[in-house]
Amino acid sequence: AQRVTQPEKLLSVFKGAPVELKCNYSYSGSPELFWYVQYSRQRLQLLLRHISRESIKGFTADLNKGETSFHLKKPFAQEEDSAMYYCALVLAQGGSEKLVFGKGTKLTVNP
Amino acid sequence: KAGVTQTPRYLIKTRGQQVTLSCSPISGHRSVSWYQQTPGQGLQFLFEYFSETQRNKGNFPGRFSGRQFSNSRSEMNVSTLELGDSALYLCASSLGGRGPTDTQYFGPGTRLTVL
Repeated sequence: AQRVTQPEKLLSVFKGAPVELKCNYSYSGSPELFWYVQYSRQRLQLLLRHISRESIKGFTADLNKGETSFHLKKPFAQEEDSAMYYCALVLAQGGSEKLVFGKGTKLTVNP
Repeated sequence: KAGVTQTPRYLIKTRGQQVTLSCSPISGHRSVSWYQQTPGQGLQFLFEYFSETQRNKGNFPGRFSGRQFSNSRSEMNVSTLELGDSALYLCASSLGGRGPTDTQYFGPGTRLTVL
């Protein structure tokens, strides 16, 4: 069963426009959710985690348990935000815990 | 601090062979996790080692195994390679106290091609 769904493989916006990258999850427990980002020719890295409720590089993400969503938002996109974004969930199953990633959304911010 | 390093960066093997990949974590990190990334399945968790013990395990067959040494360096082995094992294998290290909840620091990956 797909635990983390990112419905958009590709997302293109213009510089200065708002951007929202969608993430939906399915998990019966209390979810721990993250956004990881991979910029061109760089390594995958943590962008933010829901539990810290912080804003990183202007991005925020709110956990909506009712809609089982954890969408990533930024009010004014910048060209340097162009990257691959992955939503991830900590899944406890069968005595193990693991980080489950969505398939990712490639964001392109056009000048 | 130096980042996570993975060797080799590229590998070409043939079906039936075995392969060993290596990962050196960030100094002070005690947890190493391995992931397989393919275009079809995306990023999938293989296993995690902490203090030389496998702490968490994904849903991969027994052909995939790993180990961790006392200096926290880790190796991953894949035996009897199949075409479907062609992938980018990523290693991630973390401080280790909270498992996957800890911030994961990823390496550049090893690109394995099975012919």
